[in-house]
Amino acid sequence: DVKVTQSSRYLVKRTGEKVFLECVQDMDHENMFWYRQDPGLGLRLIYFSYDVKMKEKGDIPEGYSVSREKKERFSLILESASTNQTSMYLCASSRSPGQGANLFFGSGTQLSVL
Amino acid sequence: AQRVTQPEKLLSVFKGAPVELKCNYSYSGSPELFWYVQYSRQRLQLLLRHISRESIKGFTADLNKGETSFHLKKPFAQEEDSAMYYCALRSTDKLIFGTGTRLQVFP
Repeated sequence: DVKVTQSSRYLVKRTGEKVFLECVQDMDHENMFWYRQDPGLGLRLIYFSYDVKMKEKGDIPEGYSVSREKKERFSLILESASTNQTSMYLCASSRSPGQGANLFFGSGTQLSVL
Repeated sequence: AQRVTQPEKLLSVFKGAPVELKCNYSYSGSPELFWYVQYSRQRLQLLLRHISRESIKGFTADLNKGETSFHLKKPFAQEEDSAMYYCALRSTDKLIFGTGTRLQVFP
């Protein structure tokens, strides 16, 4: 059973802080993703990665960066947190497309920026 | 542009009533579509995908290329179906999600 683990369920940070959200998957998946989930806006893709040290911008990358130093770990970084980054952040992983594009999601991190 | 549209934010029905959650897509090519579901306090999970042509928990969805739709249907809703439902479109390796529809099933 695939497990995607996000390090924190709830985080409260102050405006201007640097924030790290961590995600680990245990099924040797090639692809990893960060989405944010907002009421009325659905899930929007921030960044994704097809392989170690590779990253691709999603639809809303501004204000975010990512790091993938190991295959199982994908970190989302808010360089200088702002109140409009208050949201639920979801990490997901999947195998390469030849084996299906089903995403497995973590439980999410609810980030509040004050 | 690739897009997924779910026109209803909220759908409320009584137990035993039929349910149809609407999903329309915009995609140039052969689409691959999914429905994901998020129950209260649970993680988002795959419900079904069109290529499998399967029925999960009594739900079915048929891809209609002429109408560019992938509506989710269930003939008799149950209270445990209450959840947030997202339609998604595959674009290369990533999924594009709609804005979601919250289904409320009243007893």
